[in-house]
Amino acid sequence: DAKTTQPNSMESNEEEPVHLPCNHSTISGTDYIHWYRQLPSQGPEYVIHGLTSNVNNRMASLAIAEDRKSSTLILHRATLRDAAVYYCILRRVYRSRLTFGEGTQLTVNP
Amino acid sequence: DTEVTQTPKHLVMGMTNKKSLKCEQHMGHRAMYWYKQKAKKPPELMFVYSYEKLSINESVPSRFSPECPNSSLLNLHLHALQPEDSALYLCASSQGGSGGPNNEQFFGPGTRLTVL
Repeated sequence: DAKTTQPNSMESNEEEPVHLPCNHSTISGTDYIHWYRQLPSQGPEYVIHGLTSNVNNRMASLAIAEDRKSSTLILHRATLRDAAVYYCILRRVYRSRLTFGEGTQLTVNP
Repeated sequence: DTEVTQTPKHLVMGMTNKKSLKCEQHMGHRAMYWYKQKAKKPPELMFVYSYEKLSINESVPSRFSPECPNSSLLNLHLHALQPEDSALYLCASSQGGSGGPNNEQFFGPGTRLTVL
């Protein structure tokens, strides 16, 4: 499976936007970019996914570079509840496997 | 109901005990997963069941024995565990077994296992 690289930790302030980067230089054409997050003492939860185009949903936006070698998860207005570990994962289409990397620990300051 | 439930929440067992972890979902999902997560580490896939058949075993030691009695239920039977097996065990489910583009996984809250 192709590997992703994320910063170990990031900090933001409440109600400000947060941009969480992910590098995946060895991504293949059939890899979807998935983001999950894990709040303290909970299981991971799905955030968003995309293939080539930018994506928006109620939780976040996903911006994908034109060459697909990197992507950015955007939380438009961070809240204290968004403090979590965010995982960027490449998932080969028609494979069920999710391989988690180390993720980014996001701290949100009040 | 978009929930995956896991019981028990916490489990303490000795190395000679036999115990089971249970996972349930009522979303009509046909794929179910077991993950193991050590403290401060990401989840690691252990097993995948697709349409009630074991499709992936990530070379997990035989002291962990999964079982999928029906499409809603997934068990993990534990026997002769070691202290290093202490971890959070997460169950997840997804709609299809083959992992189509929109096949997001729904996770339960996990069972925190301590092996003495």
